[in-house]
Amino acid sequence: KAGVTQTPRYLIKTRGQQVTLSCSPISGHRSVSWYQQTPGQGLQFLFEYFSETQRNKGNFPGRFSGRQFSNSRSEMNVSTLELGDSALYLCASSFAGQGYNEQFFGPGTRLTVL
Amino acid sequence: GENVEQHPSTLSVQEGDSAVIKCTYSDSASNYFPWYKQELGKRPQLIIDIRSNVGEKKDQRIAVTLNKTAKHFSLHITETQPEDSAVYFCAANTGTASKLTFGTGTRLQVTL
Repeated sequence: KAGVTQTPRYLIKTRGQQVTLSCSPISGHRSVSWYQQTPGQGLQFLFEYFSETQRNKGNFPGRFSGRQFSNSRSEMNVSTLELGDSALYLCASSFAGQGYNEQFFGPGTRLTVL
Repeated sequence: GENVEQHPSTLSVQEGDSAVIKCTYSDSASNYFPWYKQELGKRPQLIIDIRSNVGEKKDQRIAVTLNKTAKHFSLHITETQPEDSAVYFCAANTGTASKLTFGTGTRLQVTL
C-alpha cells in the first residue's frame, strides 16, 4: 500500500496570509490526525477527522481548521498566519476500527512564515 | 488532559550497548502507547507499540515494557547500531480516538 502523502512539502508565506495543506491517508484508513512539530513545543495534536467529522481537537486557536472529504483525504487551513506558525505540519492516518489505533505519519509540510 | 514526560532528553551509547528511554503518563485511562523513531528530516516512524492489557512486547532488538500501576513505560534497544541514531518519541493515546500525546523526545546517538 502507498503511504501517507502530504502536499505541498514546503511553503513560504508572509504574516497575515492563509494557507491550506493537504493529506492523503493510506488506502482504507478512515481517520486523519494533524500535528504541529516545532523545536520548542515538540509534537502537538491539532485535530482528528473521522468520517468527515472532527472527532477531537487540541488546544490551538480557531485560526487552525480542517476538514475531511468522503474519500478520507483531509485538508488543514491556517488563517491570518503568524510568525509562530512556522513549523512542520504532519498528518497521520489510522484505520480507526475497534482497537486499531496505529497511526502512520506522512512526510510533513514545512511551513515558513516570514 | 494527558501529559507525557520523557527522559532522558539525550542519550549517547557505544555501538553494541543497550539504550533505555523512559516515559510516564498522567491519564490512567490511556490504553495505547506507541514509540516513534524520527531521523533527521524524515517523518516519525512507528517502531513498536503496546496496549494496556499487555506488560511487555518485543520485536527483535526492541522491547517495550508497561507498568500501569506506576503509569510508566520504557523502550529498550539492545545491541545498538549506528543506524539506531535518531530522535525517539513516546506517546500515549486514550480510548479509540486517534489523539496522541507525545513526550518531548530523546536524541539517541550511537557511537562507534
